[in-house]
Amino acid sequence: SAVISQKPSRDICQRGTSLTIQCQVDSQVTMMFWYRQQPGQSLTLIATANQGSEATYESGFVIDKFPISRPNLTFSTLTVSNMSPEDSSIYLCSVEPYTGVFGYTFGSGTRLTVV
Amino acid sequence: QKEVEQNSGPLSVPEGAIASLNCTYSDRGSQSFFWYRQYSGKSPELIMSIYSNGDKEDGRFTAQLNKASQYVSLLIRDSQPSDSATYLCAVGAGGTSYGKLTFGQGTILTVHP
Repeated sequence: SAVISQKPSRDICQRGTSLTIQCQVDSQVTMMFWYRQQPGQSLTLIATANQGSEATYESGFVIDKFPISRPNLTFSTLTVSNMSPEDSSIYLCSVEPYTGVFGYTFGSGTRLTVV
Repeated sequence: QKEVEQNSGPLSVPEGAIASLNCTYSDRGSQSFFWYRQYSGKSPELIMSIYSNGDKEDGRFTAQLNKASQYVSLLIRDSQPSDSATYLCAVGAGGTSYGKLTFGQGTILTVHP
């Protein structure tokens, strides 16, 4: 299965600032997905990032707040902009590996606390 | 709005028993179905995927899918204390939404010795 490295693993940020989260995969993948898991909640898809095209955002998420880059087939970043305490969540990237294992693998996540 | 509902927990079973987790989904166009296990403070770990009606077995885990009833379940046989975790049902869309997963709210399972 694909190995996904996500950085940072956790951070505490001041409100009004921005944080960029990196996701690195050890193999080339077409689609990368960014999810948010708010405290005590399940996962919600933020956006899908394809290499060479603009990310597509789910309802309730906008590019100005969560800009995404996808410069190549193994890497993506998610920025959480102008943060407020409501952005305190775990952010996870996910891919579908090309290894014959059917299913989506998640990175270790970034635990963000906004104070 | 696409919804995925899981049986409310928490679910507590004795060690060695069968744990049964259930999930229903609203989108009839859904094409892929997954069960994830999430330990506290960790990211979700894929334990089963199923695409066709019927049963799929992998070790102590059996996933069951009934598309007509829009129902998917996970059975864990010979439950162990290490199975104690939150289990997430996820449903994958088809067509232009391929790859996008909608998650249920999760069921907390506790296996007590």
